[in-house]
Amino acid sequence: ETGVTQSPTHLIKTRGQQVTLRCSSQSGHNTVSWYQQALGQGPQFIFQYYREEENGRGNFPPRFSGLQFPNYSSELNVNALELDDSALYLCASRTSGGTNEQFFGPGTRLTVL
Amino acid sequence: QKEVEQDPGPLSVPEGAIVSLNCTYSNSAFQYFMWYRQYSRKGPELLMYTYSSGNKEDGRFTAQVDKSSKYISLFIRDSQPSDSATYLCAGGGYQKVTFGIGTKLQVIP
Repeated sequence: ETGVTQSPTHLIKTRGQQVTLRCSSQSGHNTVSWYQQALGQGPQFIFQYYREEENGRGNFPPRFSGLQFPNYSSELNVNALELDDSALYLCASRTSGGTNEQFFGPGTRLTVL
Repeated sequence: QKEVEQDPGPLSVPEGAIVSLNCTYSNSAFQYFMWYRQYSRKGPELLMYTYSSGNKEDGRFTAQVDKSSKYISLFIRDSQPSDSATYLCAGGGYQKVTFGIGTKLQVIP
């Protein structure tokens, strides 16, 4: 059984650019959530995808968007990057039924200059 | 008021000590409670998961949930230097999980 993987590991962008981060869910998991973790803070929920549909969203603006693919891999897209978007972006996967045990990937560290 | 409150520490203890980490939460709708361990620049690792009041034990770790007082605890027995990390508490339901700020723990050999 493979764990959650994310790419790239690190990314540097400039303000106003767009970025796409990728996540491959743990085998057998059909639900994926994305989180933003600023330095010294806990992860903040961005949104969740189940069966390729967004079914939950945190307090993030529409320039944060996502996709989930039939193989349960997913993407996080952020448009019009701002300096405050610099953070560790984490995806977490789980199964849809029963429990909410989420397993996290290693994260993508995004720096916006 | 944050939905999950957690003292950021840092907390320093000698090797072998019993560590007590605590959180409070305000959202009565929380159904599940979790503790994650996060090493520097790594993703959080799930340590404990509970969905009811009471205790759950796994090796040196015991998670405790008191829904009446909205209080979550994690106890680490016989702490080791390898336990040095940030510990995140979390609560939530099927769609959203809310995390505390994390408590930084250092176990001194």
